[in-house]
Amino acid sequence: EIVLTQSPGTLSLSPGERATLSCRASQSVSSNFLAWYQQKPGQAPRLLIYGASSRATGIPDRFSGSGSGADFTLTISRLEPEDFAVYFCQQYGSSPYSFGQGTKLEIK
Amino acid sequence: EVQLVESGGGLVKPGGSLRLSCAASGFIFSNVWMSWVRQAPGKGLEWVGRIRSKIDGGTSDYAAPVKGRFTISRDDSKNTLFLQMNSLKTEDTAVYYCTTFFYGSGWSWGQGTLVTVSS
Repeated sequence: EIVLTQSPGTLSLSPGERATLSCRASQSVSSNFLAWYQQKPGQAPRLLIYGASSRATGIPDRFSGSGSGADFTLTISRLEPEDFAVYFCQQYGSSPYSFGQGTKLEIK
Repeated sequence: EVQLVESGGGLVKPGGSLRLSCAASGFIFSNVWMSWVRQAPGKGLEWVGRIRSKIDGGTSDYAAPVKGRFTISRDDSKNTLFLQMNSLKTEDTAVYYCTTFFYGSGWSWGQGTLVTVSS
């Protein structure tokens, strides 16, 4: 089973700043099948990135995904007020699929 | 437009059973693999299991905490996914989501249904 570790656990930044979130896998993720989600309270997760770097439909271009193998990054180039939320990564390259524990992005 | 609508959640006692449904529309249901994911209150996301399309064998895989208690099935004639949950435990309390993946657009999720296991 692949374990995903996200860091940091909490990230405190101001609107307009750049956010860099990390997701490290315990082993290589097959075909870079790595997704990123944003989740706000009471809502279902919202897909941001799939295949490590493909932006989902309707996602602003300030969100970008990068990385390969076992090391992945989600970057938000300039934070907007609506970006403050919890972010999860997910690997779906091998079963059992797994999620990271989440990074909470909070307003500084 | 892809739509996934879960139903069947509710309050059940420990040791009890519940069956969740997920009604799918906007795509050819029989062609895709489907998954269930859950989220306990205030916690992270946990993959529950998946079922392959019939053409890929129609078999299922499960996460260790639910293996032997939960069963995923599908009715392609009704575009519906099911999750049969038996021997429920308090730690199964969660919002349950059905999800599916499309190679051209990524993961789609339903809005979830809440299952509460409590005496």
